[in-house]
Amino acid sequence: GNSVTQMEGPVTLSEEAFLTINCTYTATGYPSLFWYVQYPGEGLQLLLKATKADDKGSNKGFEATYRKETTSFHLEKGSVQVSDSAVYFCALRGRDDKIIFGKGTRLHILP
Amino acid sequence: DSGVTQTPKHLITATGQRVTLRCSPRSGDLSVYWYQQSLDQGLQFLIQYYNGEERAKGNILERFSAQQFPDLHSELNLSSLELGDSALYFCASSAGPSRPLHFGNGTRLTVT
Repeated sequence: GNSVTQMEGPVTLSEEAFLTINCTYTATGYPSLFWYVQYPGEGLQLLLKATKADDKGSNKGFEATYRKETTSFHLEKGSVQVSDSAVYFCALRGRDDKIIFGKGTRLHILP
Repeated sequence: DSGVTQTPKHLITATGQRVTLRCSPRSGDLSVYWYQQSLDQGLQFLIQYYNGEERAKGNILERFSAQQFPDLHSELNLSSLELGDSALYFCASSAGPSRPLHFGNGTRLTVT
């Protein structure tokens, strides 16, 4: 079946550092890919998405590119802020419309 | 605010009991999804409904059941509760296939 694997956290960075959170997937066909963010005490919020190969999703300075050849959708940000501290989830939506999430990566940004 | 409302926010109950979690989707959204979030298992898909009909099933235990009503709100029923059922239960809704999910703030269930 479909699955998502993302790097385990926690990831701790200093403010203004470069961020990469790795995500790879296994799926039949051509899934849609997503990054969601969860702030403390809240539900998940859609951060960005890509629906086909080579698409780049971007939002709030975050970017991720749908790489079919490497089955990856890594999340990047050039300069992180303390307010980016949260848990980040990579997810895919398959042909069956089921959305599968990775286990989440906790990000701590130090001032 | 995602527009998805979940009640109650917190629930504390004893083993063997039964509880009902409620979800009101965003206005106009026909699909409702239920997820269980625990520390060791991450976010596990339980079940999806579309316009009142069950659409997809994930790792949902037989002790758990759900339904979506004609007004599109949904309820997740958990029975014969065990300590291991303690988790955050999220509801999400979407306007339809390939549309993003919008999550509620979850119900934290503690089984003692």
